[in-house]
Amino acid sequence: KNQVEQSPQSLIILEGKNCTLQCNYTVSPFSNLRWYKQDTGRGPVSLTIMTFSENTKSNGRYTATLDADTKQSSLHITASQLSDSASYICVVVNLEYGNKLVFGAGTILRVKS
Amino acid sequence: EPEVTQTPSHQVTQMGQEVILRCVPISNHLYFYWYRQILGQKVEFLVSFYNNEISEKSEIFDDQFSVERPDGSNFTLKIRSTKLEDSAMYFCASSVEDDLEAFFGQGTRLTVV
Repeated sequence: KNQVEQSPQSLIILEGKNCTLQCNYTVSPFSNLRWYKQDTGRGPVSLTIMTFSENTKSNGRYTATLDADTKQSSLHITASQLSDSASYICVVVNLEYGNKLVFGAGTILRVKS
Repeated sequence: EPEVTQTPSHQVTQMGQEVILRCVPISNHLYFYWYRQILGQKVEFLVSFYNNEISEKSEIFDDQFSVERPDGSNFTLKIRSTKLEDSAMYFCASSVEDDLEAFFGQGTRLTVV
């Protein structure tokens, strides 16, 4: 069954600290893996997209990694800011279903001052 | 910066009524999608639309749902005979290509009472 599992469910960190969010997936075959940021009550906003052959991709303070062999991905946030407080969602694109996006449940990050 | 716009932002409807959720995708995008997110749950794929027809739909997208692109700019989701369990955030998204970044709208919060 195509699934995307994320950990932790929620995380609280102090402003300025780093954190790493995890994503494991069973989606196969996949086209690409994406990380989205979703503020409460808003639509998801894309942070990174990685294809099967990419191991890492950065977008400012966000760095995503992908290990296609173990089907794991991580999102590392450096020097966190209060505005980073949001849900971070791992999404895997399923090739078999015409690129249907399979969403994880997200990790709720709260950055405290 | 171009964005996907959705209207209304919030809709309250009585059970059994029909609702139409509206979306204006980004103008040069060719692929359109509807997703829903029940409060506290994952974002779920409903349907994808390309070249004026449905290209993929999930198990959720049954005969109660329909999509239409009535003119060159709007993309609508119609829900007939709404049920209490249809209460959710409905997100529209669009992309240039099916495997490239999808841009999400801010969502319509549908409340069925």
